[in-house]
Amino acid sequence: GAGVSQTPSNKVTEKGKYVELRCDPISGHTALYWYRQSLGQGPEFLIYFQGTGAADDSGLPNDRFFAVRPEGSVSTLKIQRTERGDSAVYLCASSMNTGELFFGEGSRLTVL
Amino acid sequence: GQSLEQPSEVTAVEGAIVQINCTYQTSGFYGLSWYQQHDGGAPTFLSYNALDGLEETGRFSSFLSRSDSYGYLLLQELQMKDSASYFCAVSYGGSQGNLIFGKGTKLSVKP
Repeated sequence: GAGVSQTPSNKVTEKGKYVELRCDPISGHTALYWYRQSLGQGPEFLIYFQGTGAADDSGLPNDRFFAVRPEGSVSTLKIQRTERGDSAVYLCASSMNTGELFFGEGSRLTVL
Repeated sequence: GQSLEQPSEVTAVEGAIVQINCTYQTSGFYGLSWYQQHDGGAPTFLSYNALDGLEETGRFSSFLSRSDSYGYLLLQELQMKDSASYFCAVSYGGSQGNLIFGKGTKLSVKP
């Protein structure tokens, strides 16, 4: 596709469940970022990849959060034992390291 | 660590000019970006400054002073559709480094 694609667009789950969020970046973009955004706040950095490796994962809030990008393209953000505080919009962005990030429409996660 | 400060809200009238300031503290500063986000939408890129000075793109301009750790976004000839949140973001750690966002400025344009 032409842009960054994120699936699912909406996910409702119960507290304690496991969730996977997928990001398909723009073809050829080497950098991939995950952010989460709560209402009225700026995007909060979680992790970013250069190619297949996590260049900086310092934003992951705890060990329940994990992300992979095994072939340097699609990435999956994985959240174990979800908590109500994990509810947010999870944004993925990709870049050619030009300073310009291209964002997907986000995955809205609601933990009941 | 990295931190950015920008006003939380700004209100202006159609046709006016508005300036949104951003101050930052970061190690390994590389550049300052601006993004626009409409309610319910994704952030979209507006501008990027790696060097001191003014960058102009149509009605929008962005300024950077590295010595003052300060930048601003200038919006001219405001239109109703400019009502949105505007985020400054710092790149650090080189050309392949990270990008951290400020909390955003909500701009309301009144008729």
